[in-house]
Amino acid sequence: GAGVSQSPSNKVTEKGKDVELRCDPISGHTALYWYRQSLGQGLEFLIYFQGNSAPDKSGLPSDRFSAERTGGSVSTLTIQRTQQEDSAVYLCASSFLRGGTDTQYFGPGTRLTVL
Amino acid sequence: AQSVTQLDSQVPVFEEAPVELRCNYSSSVSVYLFWYVQYPNQGLQLLLKYLSGSTLVKGINGFEAEFNKSQTSFHLRKPSVHISDTAEYFCAVSADTGNQFYFGTGTSLTVIP
Repeated sequence: GAGVSQSPSNKVTEKGKDVELRCDPISGHTALYWYRQSLGQGLEFLIYFQGNSAPDKSGLPSDRFSAERTGGSVSTLTIQRTQQEDSAVYLCASSFLRGGTDTQYFGPGTRLTVL
Repeated sequence: AQSVTQLDSQVPVFEEAPVELRCNYSSSVSVYLFWYVQYPNQGLQLLLKYLSGSTLVKGINGFEAEFNKSQTSFHLRKPSVHISDTAEYFCAVSADTGNQFYFGTGTSLTVIP
């Protein structure tokens, strides 16, 4: 079946603009993660959705970052007033069950460049 | 909180030679451990994971890892590498409580013909 998809694959924006990144998880997966991968860094946890529960937003770096997951499926990560330090690859992952033990399936990522 | 250290950022190795990629973690609670691989121009995929039971875990493509609780390590090994193993390898840890995964900074494995 189809894997996790993300769009756009590349996004170039000007400093101060808002951007929206989209993630389509694998159908039936209840858990969804967003990560940020900066050059030379590991994956930085941003936010976690599990079913209809309140999301775990503890990894969001500032209030400029927000995310939502509509209908328990598609998720959108929004970055407002982008800064150059927001440049990174943003990865989405989904898993069938709660994330602690279950395998995560990653999308190809969105490469964000803030000029 | 948990953290993961991958000391080797780059590991070059000749084809058919053995390789070990090191991973150490810190945690005050029980953990689950994972290795993910990212092939060039592809997304991350699970290589293997340790949840409980036998400390020696076998994964895909001939890789294996051993959980060592006393040394808080989860090193990845392969007895004979192939060109196709060239990729970025990430070690990750999660706790049996909470939702977060903590990833290391990755080890770039380059297999030399």
